[in-house]
Amino acid sequence: DTAVSQTPKYLVTQMGNDKSIKCEQNLGHDTMYWYKQDSKKFLKIMFSYNNKELIINETVPNRFSPKSPDKAHLNLHINSLELGDSAVYFCASSHTGADTEAFFGQGTRLTVV
Amino acid sequence: QQQVKQSPQSLIVQKGGISIINCAYENTAFDYFPWYQQFPGKGPALLIAIRPDVSEKKEGRFTISFNKSAKQFSLHIMDSQPGDSATYFCAASTTLTGGGNKLTFGTGTQLKVEL
Repeated sequence: DTAVSQTPKYLVTQMGNDKSIKCEQNLGHDTMYWYKQDSKKFLKIMFSYNNKELIINETVPNRFSPKSPDKAHLNLHINSLELGDSAVYFCASSHTGADTEAFFGQGTRLTVV
Repeated sequence: QQQVKQSPQSLIVQKGGISIINCAYENTAFDYFPWYQQFPGKGPALLIAIRPDVSEKKEGRFTISFNKSAKQFSLHIMDSQPGDSATYFCAASTTLTGGGNKLTFGTGTQLKVEL
């Protein structure tokens, strides 16, 4: 029944490794997002995809590469992980258009050691 | 720069009291103003939202007041309950060309409701 599901929920990895976070939504939404929440709980958008097409990339380092195989999935691949990448990453989705609610997943807590 | 400013950073309220969280914004391109509630270990969830052509919106114990000329909006939680203890984020939304919305969040308010 989960609307927006992310895996894994926790990810601990060493600096320099490459990792992926998967996201799936079953709400029939056309738009999906990745948001990053830092240690001070500040939430900031990273990417937005609409129908598998990249809409915005908010000055995210190119070590981060989102991939959308279809409009229900938006995965996030991170290369050469750095200590500063440690954060909680949230996937979200919404309908296209103004005034639409964004539904968030439970988050993936990434810890780089 | 912080496009959406939120205060206070933390708030302690007695059960049954009123919790008030304030936000201010600069960008007049924002076209929708939602409030999100986040519990530990969970993702943010929409609580209530308002369009800028409306001055107040009430849903149950939650009310948004919106002042377009001052570029300020606030969340009031009436009869606050211990179950309301969470982090609250105001946000301002921009409709994206190509689809979807970009949410710009405030810095969050950690609310604790004491018995």
